[in-house]
Amino acid sequence: DGGITQSPKYLFRKEGQNVTLSCEQNLNHDAMYWYRQDPGQGLRLIYYSQIVNDFQKGDIAEGYSVSREKKESFPLTVTSAQKNPTAFYLCASRAKQTGLKGDTIYFGEGSWLTVV
Amino acid sequence: GEDVEQSLFLSVREGDSSVINCTYTDSSSTYLYWYKQEPGAGLQLLTYIFSNMDMKQDQRLTVLLNKKDKHLSLRIADTQTGDSAIYFCAESPATPYKLSFGAGTTVTVRA
Repeated sequence: DGGITQSPKYLFRKEGQNVTLSCEQNLNHDAMYWYRQDPGQGLRLIYYSQIVNDFQKGDIAEGYSVSREKKESFPLTVTSAQKNPTAFYLCASRAKQTGLKGDTIYFGEGSWLTVV
Repeated sequence: GEDVEQSLFLSVREGDSSVINCTYTDSSSTYLYWYKQEPGAGLQLLTYIFSNMDMKQDQRLTVLLNKKDKHLSLRIADTQTGDSAIYFCAESPATPYKLSFGAGTTVTVRA
């Protein structure tokens, strides 16, 4: 089935460690996004990529890094510089706009990251 | 986000209509969306509307857009227990295309 797959679903990180969240899509979408969700704050954009080998910072990029070496993959690394990483992380993708239909972002099922 | 505001909670009786309201500040917003999130899951796109429209109906869902007041609403007719979830309003300019979300409205459907 086509879709967006995030892994792992649950991840525990020790303080001082870097961890990487995986996001893979087989929808042939050009753009991919990472959002962070905290209770009562909605979703905030971390990074986004509109095309392979290119990405831009979102609103809360500090302490995170990404790469976009392949169209279908957009991994997010939560570095030790991120002081409060415990959150629910959502990956999303979108097809390149070609008309009025399909101009929407589709989300994966999310990954829970907890610092222990 | 700060640019999109929603009330945090809504309680509705099963069978009644639910109305969730949202205001946004970016006048360049071209696309406006409603997403639904069930516990521990990702976001499911419910419906969207373009800024050149003022109403869109899709089965039990009706979206109203007042572009002058930057006000968006989602009406769910005949609300069911399966409609209990968090509903997010989101907006995006045409370019760069990136969604800004409200904090979400938790809808609780009571029998």
